Amino acid sequence: AQSVTQLDSHVSVSEGTPVLLRCNYSSSYSPSLFWYVQHPNKGLQLLLKYTSAATLVKGINGFEAEFKKSETSFHLTKPSAHMSDAAEYFCVVRSLDEKLTFGTGTRLTIIP
Amino acid sequence: DTGVSQDPRHKITKRGQNVTFRCDPISEHNRLYWYRQTLGQGPEFLTYFQNEAQLEKSRLLSDRFSAERPKGSFSTLEIQRTEQGDSAMYLCASSFTYVANEQFFGPGTRLTVL
Repeated sequence: AQSVTQLDSHVSVSEGTPVLLRCNYSSSYSPSLFWYVQHPNKGLQLLLKYTSAATLVKGINGFEAEFKKSETSFHLTKPSAHMSDAAEYFCVVRSLDEKLTFGTGTRLTIIP
Repeated sequence: DTGVSQDPRHKITKRGQNVTFRCDPISEHNRLYWYRQTLGQGPEFLTYFQNEAQLEKSRLLSDRFSAERPKGSFSTLEIQRTEQGDSAMYLCASSFTYVANEQFFGPGTRLTVL
């Protein structure tokens, strides 16, 4: 069975400072990992994905994530937070039959 | 708009009533997924279709829940004899099996059972 653990339920950062959202995964095989973002009253949007190619993955809106097998981590980062980044972020692992297993989410708050 | 659409966006019902939700996937996508998201949690897988065939159902999907995808296009999710515990956001996603496998999500249907 696969699972992801998001280590922080809520993260607050000031506008213009770096963002770090932490995710650890558990998988019996090489996983496919994703980060999705959910803005209020909007659908889930894919930020980026890791599918066993480059370990540093760049996504939309300046976000990136690094797959670290030794640490079983897939943390999401952004160098400089923007007010529009305030949302709920989900770390996700995909099974071989393509079902997605979501983490419990991290709510990102941006302080002006 | 060529994204995934869901109807209705909100549904309020009384306990014991039946409700039906509709999902229209991206037209060329052959896979369609249903997820349920309760407050403060991530979405949980319910069931999925490849074309018109329902390939898997989660243990979360009790006998009161049924999903269909006639003709491999839109899908419906019906909940019979609703209970207060069914209150949640129901999300639909679609994907094309052979390309990147990204699932595209609709805006969801928020169900409130009184």
